[in-house]
Amino acid sequence: DGGITQSPKYLFRKEGQNVTLSCEQNLNHDAMYWYRQDPGQGLRLIYYSQIVNDFQKGDIAEGYSVSREKKESFPLTVTSAQKNPTAFYLCASSVTGQGAYTIYFGEGSWLTVV
Amino acid sequence: AQRVTQPEKLLSVFKGAPVELKCNYSYSGSPELFWYVQYSRQRLQLLLRHISRESIKGFTADLNKGETSFHLKKPFAQEEDSAMYYCALRTSRAGNMLTFGGGTRLMVKP
Repeated sequence: DGGITQSPKYLFRKEGQNVTLSCEQNLNHDAMYWYRQDPGQGLRLIYYSQIVNDFQKGDIAEGYSVSREKKESFPLTVTSAQKNPTAFYLCASSVTGQGAYTIYFGEGSWLTVV
Repeated sequence: AQRVTQPEKLLSVFKGAPVELKCNYSYSGSPELFWYVQYSRQRLQLLLRHISRESIKGFTADLNKGETSFHLKKPFAQEEDSAMYYCALRTSRAGNMLTFGGGTRLMVKP
């Protein structure tokens, strides 16, 4: 079954701890993205990667880190430096340079800081 | 810089009534606009794109460059249309970046 898989769906973190959200895709897409979804603020881009071993900061990268060691995987680490980490996180992927552009989203991960 | 604005956070209509979800954008280049929908307990998915000029589930959206708008319309709303709708703008920055609006929750009442 092809698609994007995010895990875990629900995660609780204590203040001061780092946590890593997993994102895996088997669509053979080159580009992958992490968005944060907050009520009333839509989706904001955290980080994106166009190719393996390369990634760029999005609009709200502070307090987050990523890696892209494999084409299929783009994990997001929410560090203790992120001041307001409680949110819904969405991973996505797309094919770069495709004329009929389409981006596919995962089901998301809920992170709650307790 | 690119920006997408959806002025209504919540839009409530009765079944069978027309619905229009507003979207305005600002971008200095040639825009590519999309509408995405998120039904309850489902993942965010593409509804339609302006370049296709298509009608999906009875929804249409026309790009108005003069008014920098891409409003989503449906003549007769159905209860199953209740969802969160996001307008998105694709820019040329580093390829396929999407900038999303704040979203509008559509509630269709019976």
